[in-house]
This record gives sequence, C-alpha cells and structure tokens, in this order.
Amino acid sequence: DAMVIQNPRYQVTQFGKPVTLSCSQTLNHNVMYWYQQKSSQAPKLLFHYYDKDFNNEADTPDNFQSRRPNTSFCFLDIRSPGLGDAAMYLCATSRELQGISPLHFGNGTRLTVT
Amino acid sequence: KNEVEQSPQNLTAQEGEFITINCSYSVGISALHWLQQHPGGGIVSLFMLSSGKKKHGRLIATINIQEKHSSLHITASHPRDSAVYICAVPPKALSSGSARQLTFGSGTQLTVLP
Repeated sequence: DAMVIQNPRYQVTQFGKPVTLSCSQTLNHNVMYWYQQKSSQAPKLLFHYYDKDFNNEADTPDNFQSRRPNTSFCFLDIRSPGLGDAAMYLCATSRELQGISPLHFGNGTRLTVT
Repeated sequence: KNEVEQSPQNLTAQEGEFITINCSYSVGISALHWLQQHPGGGIVSLFMLSSGKKKHGRLIATINIQEKHSSLHITASHPRDSAVYICAVPPKALSSGSARQLTFGSGTQLTVLP
C-alpha cells in the first residue's frame, strides 16, 4: 500500500506559470519534507514541516512556497517557474526530525518547464 | 559538515553475483540511511542503522561506527536490483528544530545483467 503519494507523477508547466505539486501520507508522521533533485545530483532539501511548524532552508529560493493544511497533506507551490526549476520533486515523511527516524519517500513528481 | 564517500560509482554485475557497495563518512553519526532510487525517480528507504547489521530479504547492511564505514550487500543479485543506491547521514551537531539535513553520498549506479 502506498504510504506517501505524490501527484501528479509528471507535470508540465510553462515558464512563469504557477504550479502546485501535492503530497499525501497515510503514516501520520510529524515531519514532511520537500526535496528537489536534478539530473545525476543528490536530493536537495527545500523545506520541511514539523507538524505545523514550517522550516525553510536558507538557500531555498523565495519562488518556492509550501502549505500543510493538515497532517496528511503538504503542497509545494512554485510561483513563477523558470527553466532551472525543471527537476524531480520528492516528498518524504518521518516520524521525528534529526535523521534518526526512517524516511518514507513518495515516487516523486517530475516537473518540466517549457 | 560530514563528508560521505561511496564506492564504487558504477557497478555492473551478472545475475546471481554477490554485490557490495561501500560508504565512508568523516564525522561520527547517530544513524546511517541506505536508499534505493530506481530510474523512474522514486526513492525507497532500505535501511536505517546505527550499529551492527540489518537484513531484509537479500539485502544486508552493516555499519562499523569506530571505522565510520558502512556496507550494503546484495546476495543473489537480480536484474530488478538495478538502481542507484545512496547512503545518507545526518550531521552530528544538534540544532534545535533543525531537520538535520542529510548529507547524501554520490550514489552507486548498479546494473545487474541477466
């Protein structure tokens, strides 16, 4: 059974056109993460929520925003996508912070910007 | 920041062979993650371990805390094991409320030929 579900699997958007990616979890985990992964690179953490507390990584562009309306759902909003934002976006969850709880990843959303 | 090195970078094996992937890190850690990423992009968490050895099916992960080294073994490898295998470690220093962003190794691309 899928426990972290990302939609859509593939997303195509136009340059500058806002886009929202979604993630849902059935694990009731406290923490939800958004990672960006470009080709042949390691995932890069954009931000995370611990419950309702939002934490932005220092180098995450302002163009990226996130919402977590409840425990189960988390959204990634890209306000004005640029060509450089084309990437795989991965959502993950864990019970606790600090890398000492197992991570559960979704299948990712591959974003193409035209 | 923890330096994480994986070897080999690429590995091609024949079906049935025993596979070993290595991961070394520079700073003491509380736990280490082994992840598997298939060509489609989704990441599966294989193991999180802080000492000794864990086994799941044909996969075995070991860690030597004193030597700062971990290995992932695959017994009786199969073409469906073909994927990128990534080790990841959290930083040792605690920061209140921090996600303790994982440091990822560069990954090992495993190809198992039938």
